[in-house]
Amino acid sequence: QKEVEQNSGPLSVPEGAIASLNCTYSDRGSQSFFWYRQYSGKSPELIMFIYSNGDKEDGRFTAQLNKASQYVSLLIRDSQPSDSATYLCAVPFEGGYNKLIFGAGTRLAVHP
Amino acid sequence: GAGVSQSPSNKVTEKGKDVELRCDPISGHTALYWYRQSLGQGLEFLIYFQGNSAPDKSGLPSDRFSAERTGGSVSTLTIQRTQQEDSAVYLCASSLGPPGDWGTDTQYFGPGTRLTVL
Repeated sequence: QKEVEQNSGPLSVPEGAIASLNCTYSDRGSQSFFWYRQYSGKSPELIMFIYSNGDKEDGRFTAQLNKASQYVSLLIRDSQPSDSATYLCAVPFEGGYNKLIFGAGTRLAVHP
Repeated sequence: GAGVSQSPSNKVTEKGKDVELRCDPISGHTALYWYRQSLGQGLEFLIYFQGNSAPDKSGLPSDRFSAERTGGSVSTLTIQRTQQEDSAVYLCASSLGPPGDWGTDTQYFGPGTRLTVL
């Protein structure tokens, strides 16, 4: 099993819908989780980070963490065409926080 | 304030040549990271600096790769005798605090250097 797994997509949703992006990780000891957005040809930019079980909301974005099931998800409400990008999940490596392990990313396409 | 900057933005070189890539982290950030991203792939960790020291060099793919950081600020990634498989976007990131410091270990990325080895 890869350390961080994401469905590569593309995930296609209509404008205004909720986009749900999922990420599973292998290290039960992982404590912090990051979601980055990367537009084509650009560098990743931080969207959300979450440390505790449950939901964390920031504007149209909600991160959900379930440590028991080892998954973290990102919900985007009222999806806009400008949300079309690749979303990367990142998890610190096996208690060694100096290394973030990135998933391969899920490509999201929001169509008008 | 200013973000992470990298130079050059693009570098085209011939196989066998050496290249140097530069990263200027956000002012005051103690931790600095190098990653590379091949076309259509995820990010691959290369090396991490805390201050001027590199406690983790495990990601460097071969001994042709080396990196240094001086004055707790600027870092240079050097690739010797470049090969075509080195072609990728090299990304630098920095964080305010050391990894594991919740709330200050968030990594902020620079725009990257696109390296093409002919």
